[in-house]
Amino acid sequence: AQKITQTQPGMFVQEKEAVTLDCTYDTSDPSYGLFWYKQPSSGEMIFLIYQGSYDQQNATEGRYSLNFQKARKSANLVISASQLGDSAMYFCAMREGPNTDKLIFGTGTRLQVFP
Amino acid sequence: EAQVTQNPRYLITVTGKKLTVTCSQNMNHEYMSWYRQDPGLGLRQIYYSMNVEVTDKGDVPEGYKVSRKEKRNFPLILESPSPNQTSLYFCASSFLGQGADGYTFGSGTRLTVV
Repeated sequence: AQKITQTQPGMFVQEKEAVTLDCTYDTSDPSYGLFWYKQPSSGEMIFLIYQGSYDQQNATEGRYSLNFQKARKSANLVISASQLGDSAMYFCAMREGPNTDKLIFGTGTRLQVFP
Repeated sequence: EAQVTQNPRYLITVTGKKLTVTCSQNMNHEYMSWYRQDPGLGLRQIYYSMNVEVTDKGDVPEGYKVSRKEKRNFPLILESPSPNQTSLYFCASSFLGQGADGYTFGSGTRLTVV
């Protein structure tokens, strides 16, 4: 069964440092997509980055990059040059196959950035 | 502006009093769904709709109803709310199978059932 695992309930990072948030997934479908969302304390879900299973290169969006290791079924989010505003909950999610838009979410990682 | 609009943002109600959370999108998306978020569990899909008059159960449908009479609207109905339905609810919409493009969440509805 498809599953997303985030093993870090909480992470701390100092401002301006880089941080990696871990995400592993389990699927038997060769076609899937991986998402990362940020949820600040206000509650909304903010899309950060997407990686398709057939994408040859790792996705990048500004300070966010996705370290996609297909053989290991991992899709870690790397945030470079952390800012205080990065403090939030981060969710990894997967969409499996081409015929559904259902997202399977991990349990999230709470990131706290300190000065 | 392309968006998914949920109302209300916050709701406190009593056990057994029927309520409806509205969801509307202006992007002509075919696919709409409802999720609930609970601490330690992430988001879980309640119901989804692949087009008008086509709805189906997600992973946690018990205690909820939905309808899709128009493409833009996908209300979530709690006929007899119970305290275990206290949660943060999200509506989402997208074009089916189009990568990350256009996958949009509403701002969330924080529901408390007392």
